[in-house]
Amino acid sequence: DAGVTQSPTHLIKTRGQQVTLRCSPKSGHDTVSWYQQALGQGPQFIFQYYEEEERQRGNFPDRFSGHQFPNYSSELNVNALLLGDSALYLCASSATLTNIQYFGAGTRLSVL
Amino acid sequence: AQSVTQLGSHVSVSEGALVLLRCNYSSSVPPYLFWYVQYPNQGLQLLLKYTSAATLVKGINGFEAEFKKSETSFHLTKPSAHMSDAAEYFCAVSYGGATNKLIFGTGTLLAVQP
Repeated sequence: DAGVTQSPTHLIKTRGQQVTLRCSPKSGHDTVSWYQQALGQGPQFIFQYYEEEERQRGNFPDRFSGHQFPNYSSELNVNALLLGDSALYLCASSATLTNIQYFGAGTRLSVL
Repeated sequence: AQSVTQLGSHVSVSEGALVLLRCNYSSSVPPYLFWYVQYPNQGLQLLLKYTSAATLVKGINGFEAEFKKSETSFHLTKPSAHMSDAAEYFCAVSYGGATNKLIFGTGTLLAVQP
């Protein structure tokens, strides 16, 4: 049983560009959450998707947007990249009755 | 605002010694509480969780944590450290449901000396 998978593993972009990160949840999970982990910090909640809709959102600007597909996979899009967007982006999946969020290995984004 | 405080960004212990990593949360509403471990260049792995059942929670790899409501604490312990325990540890809380957004502390980097 595959866990949470994220792609790509690493990404290098320049300021002003746009990026799309992808996440496939653990089998049987219908909820996907995204977190940003800056170097030396704890993860910060970006948003959560359930039934293809954004259910919760953290304190991130509108440049951060997402999508969930009918197969529960999800994308995180970041527009107009800033140097400060450089971080490890983590995806977590969960199901209503599991009480646990399972994390993927993350995508490390570097903005130059 | 709801927050999580982890005292000690770096903790160093000798192999075989007691591990104690501290976590306090700020809320009068009982939260769901979690400890996650992160090895270098990897994602987060759940060690244990408290979801309003027994206050002493046992997790994987010999770790356990005790929920103390009066102290708003959820400290992580392990009786005897192993070299493989060297990693970063994060305490996290959620409110209104264990699969709601997680609020993380800033992490504690555990070093284990031979």
